[in-house]
This record gives sequence, structure tokens and C-alpha cells, in this order.
Amino acid sequence: GDSVTQMEGPVTLSEEAFLTINCTYTATGYPSLFWYVQYPGEGLQLLLKATKADDKGSNKGFEATYRKETTSFHLEKGSVQVSDSAVYFCALSDQGFNKFYFGSGTKLNVKP
Amino acid sequence: NAGVTQTPKFRVLKTGQSMTLLCAQDMNHEYMYWYRQDPGMGLRLIHYSVGEGTTAKGEVPDGYNVSRLKKQNFLLGLESAAPSQTSVYFCASTGVVYGYTFGSGTRLTVV
Repeated sequence: GDSVTQMEGPVTLSEEAFLTINCTYTATGYPSLFWYVQYPGEGLQLLLKATKADDKGSNKGFEATYRKETTSFHLEKGSVQVSDSAVYFCALSDQGFNKFYFGSGTKLNVKP
Repeated sequence: NAGVTQTPKFRVLKTGQSMTLLCAQDMNHEYMYWYRQDPGMGLRLIHYSVGEGTTAKGEVPDGYNVSRLKKQNFLLGLESAAPSQTSVYFCASTGVVYGYTFGSGTRLTVV
């Protein structure tokens, strides 16, 4: 079945450091891929998405490229801020968009 | 503001008690979902609905029931709460555009 695997956290970085959070997926067909962010005490918010191979999703300085050959959708940011501290979830949706499959989440702590 | 509203935000139940969690969306979305979030396990789908009057089982449906009598509402019921159902519950909805809109969650503790 479809599934998402992302790197375990927590990830602790200093402000202005480079961020990479790895995400790989297993899916039949042609899924769409997503990154969601969850701030403390809140629900998940869509951060970025990519709907086909080689697409790059970007938002708020975050980027991820849909790599079909490596079945990956790694999240990157060139310079993190303290306000980026949150839990990040990688997800995929099946072609019918009936279900989303989430990774287990990666907690990011950014220190001043 | 438009979006997904969950009530209540917090609840403590005794083992064996029942309760209903309400999810309401005002975006005219067809699809609605209930997830539970537990530490280290991400989000797991409990039940979902692809339209008014329809429901389907997700990954972890045991111990829960749902109803979608109106398009804008999706109710999650616990008939006899157990400590294993202590969790944070999230409702979400989506239309024809990709991506979910999530509610802010309900933190349930069963003692």
C-alpha cells in the first residue's frame, strides 16, 4: 500500500542554518505530494505541494522537488528562523484524492 | 473566518463514558475526515466521508462511529471510551482542489 517515511526528529538547528528534512514515499500510480506544518497547539497547515514528477513546490522560503526516480520529496530551507520551530509532516494523496497518507512527523527546533 | 471548526477543544472522560465530537466546515467541501494523532505515530485515519450520507472506514476505525447527515457536519462518536483512545483528534475537509484544511484539534483524555 501507499506510505510515507520521513526522518525522525527532533532536528535542532541554530538560526540561519540550512534545513533538510528527508521524505521518501511508496505509491502505486501517480500520487501528489505535500508538506504540512503544525505549530504548537494548532492543526496542520499546508506548506507546499507538488502534483507531478519534477514539480517544485515552494512557500515561505521552503522548497521541495518531486523526484520520481528516487521516490523522494525532501524539504529544504536555506536559512531557518526561530519562528520555523514546528512539526513538519510529509504526505501523499492517492489519485482519487480520497485519502492522504502522512509520515510520522519531524520536530524542528531552531535556537537563536 | 471560513474553515473547519471542531468542538469541544478539550475533554476528559471516564472509561466507559460516551461522547460525540463535532466537526463543521463552511467551504462546501465534499470530503471530510477524522484523524487521531499520537506521539511518534503521525496521523492515522479513523473514518472518512466522500459526501453527505456516506461514511467509510479508515486505518483505525475500531471503537468509533461516524455520521454525515449534513454536508457541512461530520460527527465522531465514542460509544464506550477506553484509555487507548486518549489522543488528539483532528478533523479535515477537502474539495476538488488538492490539500486538506484541518481543524485545530480536540484533546481527549480518557481516565
